[in-house]
Amino acid sequence: NAGVTQTPKFQVLKTGQSMTLQCAQDMNHEYMSWYRQDPGMGLRLIHYSVGAGITDQGEVPNGYNVSRSTTEDFPLRLLSAAPSQTSVYFCASSYSDTNTGELFFGEGSRLTVL
Amino acid sequence: QQQVKQSPQSLIVQKGGISIINCAYENTAFDYFPWYQQFPGKGPALLIAIRPDVSEKKEGRFTISFNKSAKQFSLHIMDSQPGDSATYFCAAVASGSARQLTFGSGTQLTVLP
Repeated sequence: NAGVTQTPKFQVLKTGQSMTLQCAQDMNHEYMSWYRQDPGMGLRLIHYSVGAGITDQGEVPNGYNVSRSTTEDFPLRLLSAAPSQTSVYFCASSYSDTNTGELFFGEGSRLTVL
Repeated sequence: QQQVKQSPQSLIVQKGGISIINCAYENTAFDYFPWYQQFPGKGPALLIAIRPDVSEKKEGRFTISFNKSAKQFSLHIMDSQPGDSATYFCAAVASGSARQLTFGSGTQLTVLP
């Protein structure tokens, strides 16, 4: 099993450009989420999904869109990148239907917006 | 608004020493408190977790101490090793919150050989 796979690992964008960060998991997990990690801020939840076709907003959703058409994939879209979106993005998934379920994280996508 | 406050921001410990990382929370609805460990270039990984109905949980060299009345919990790493050098995040989640973990700001631990 590959676990949670994120692509790309590194990306540089110009302000106003759009892009999609890809996330795929092969563990048949129903729950998937996106976090951003910034120095001194820990990890903050952007969006999450409890199953195919169901998504919801987290703590910092502005400027990001998500969709969940399959159990395996959960892409994160930046519609018009801003320098404030420079960050490391982590996708995570969980098999458990309870709040104690372990989150399995990908290795991250480092995004720089100029 | 940070609901989980973590300290210190960085910590340097000699090999064999005890590393202590503290967290405090505000939301009394939190009822599950995991700790995640992150190595450079990697994603966080679950290290150990505790529920508030126990005051302590130990797994090998790692122990969580929990003080419900003070709304504080801490991670103790006994006999710290250079391989423990990583960033540690405390987190909290409430029942019914669809696994919306609230993370602390992280502690960068360096264990000197």
